Amino acid sequence: SQQGEEDPQALSIQEGENATMNCSYKTSINNLQWYRQNSGRGLVHLILIRSNEREKHSGRLRVTLDTSKKSSSLLITASRAADTASYFCATARQPTGGGNKLTFGTGTQLKVEL
Amino acid sequence: DAGVTQSPTHLIKTRGQQVTLRCSPKSGHDTVSWYQQALGQGPQFIFQYYEEEERQRGNFPDRFSGHQFPNYSSELNVNALLLGDSALYLCASSRGRGSYEQYFGPGTRLTVT
Repeated sequence: SQQGEEDPQALSIQEGENATMNCSYKTSINNLQWYRQNSGRGLVHLILIRSNEREKHSGRLRVTLDTSKKSSSLLITASRAADTASYFCATARQPTGGGNKLTFGTGTQLKVEL
Repeated sequence: DAGVTQSPTHLIKTRGQQVTLRCSPKSGHDTVSWYQQALGQGPQFIFQYYEEEERQRGNFPDRFSGHQFPNYSSELNVNALLLGDSALYLCASSRGRGSYEQYFGPGTRLTVT
């Protein structure tokens, strides 16, 4: 089953605008990650934020994490047409015995128009 | 440095048949995980292999089984295919079971008719 929901399900913006997508999850986590997927192909890892971190930056990406609300947001600044893709959040817990299973959200489809 | 590779790219099977999907992990990685992604959904964890043994398993029936070879490559087998098994199957590799940084392959698109 999915860990949680992403909001919005779809987002359409103009090139140069900022895009914000949100992710909510249900259980305690070790970290939360964001992935990009182009045209139903493989996933590309974007950024990882640990449960004891509140904000993280990577290039044009900014991720926030609020563990009290069990939510995260991904901000893409100055968007480009090449950012058009589906974006997924994924949570990781440290289960008994180890392992790094990821539990994904439902995804946000971002379209950046010229 | 080759990333994660998967074969085949696309596959069409008939209900009741069996299928085998293959994955080669990124160089230096020893842990392989498999995910199923239905159309319009996020990936769902099937299972993870480390040291040639299944270490974690998601909520999938026994029709889904796997194997990991000494060179760390892996296979996913699905028996008695159902229409609902149609999906993109993704393989991810990592260095060690505790590493949270996973690298995904391009996936195998399975269509069951």
